[in-house]
Amino acid sequence: AQSVTQPDIHITVSEGASLELRCNYSYGATPYLFWYVQSPGQGLQLLLKYFSGDTLVQGIKGFEAEFKRSQSSFNLRKPSVHWSDAAEYFCAVAHTGGFKTIFGAGTRLFVKA
Amino acid sequence: GAVVSQHPSWVICKSGTSVKIECRSLDFQATTMFWYRQFPKQSLMLMATSNEGSKATYEQGVEKDKFLINHASLTLSTLTVTSAHPEDSSFYICSAMMGQATDTQYFGPGTRLTVL
Repeated sequence: AQSVTQPDIHITVSEGASLELRCNYSYGATPYLFWYVQSPGQGLQLLLKYFSGDTLVQGIKGFEAEFKRSQSSFNLRKPSVHWSDAAEYFCAVAHTGGFKTIFGAGTRLFVKA
Repeated sequence: GAVVSQHPSWVICKSGTSVKIECRSLDFQATTMFWYRQFPKQSLMLMATSNEGSKATYEQGVEKDKFLINHASLTLSTLTVTSAHPEDSSFYICSAMMGQATDTQYFGPGTRLTVL
């Protein structure tokens, strides 16, 4: 069965520091992978997605993620975090192009001045 | 583009009443819409998949008679929580996909339901 693991419940980084949020998935075939961000009381915004091709994916707001099949990982990175990046981040895996998306438990990002 | 709205954004109701939540795709036609439920500080759990003009497909453990879903048009899906109880209090989020060939879900802002 498909599953998504985000090992870190919460992470705190200093503003301007680099960020890496971890995501591991379990899926039989090549997965469709997503990262979403959710601000408090809001819906989800898509940061980036991977379907095929280049394993390094660029997204919005300066985020990128790298698909590593050998490690079953799709970690999200940002070279320099801004205070406005504080939010909940969800990794997700989908079968057949977005249908029945399975979400990870989320990682809460705190940014300190 | 690709904006999804939900109405209301929050609702408080008495136990035993029914509540309807609307999900609209504002600038595209959504052949498929999804309804999720999110408990505080937890992830999203898919409740059902809704295709325009057909019955919704519910996930295991979701009571179809309690959570009525209607997808009457390509831009509107509704979720009705019938005979709501305090345990139904949650954050409900819908998403929409524009066509079979598209792989991206666009999410609404969510509806906070509180049942007293």
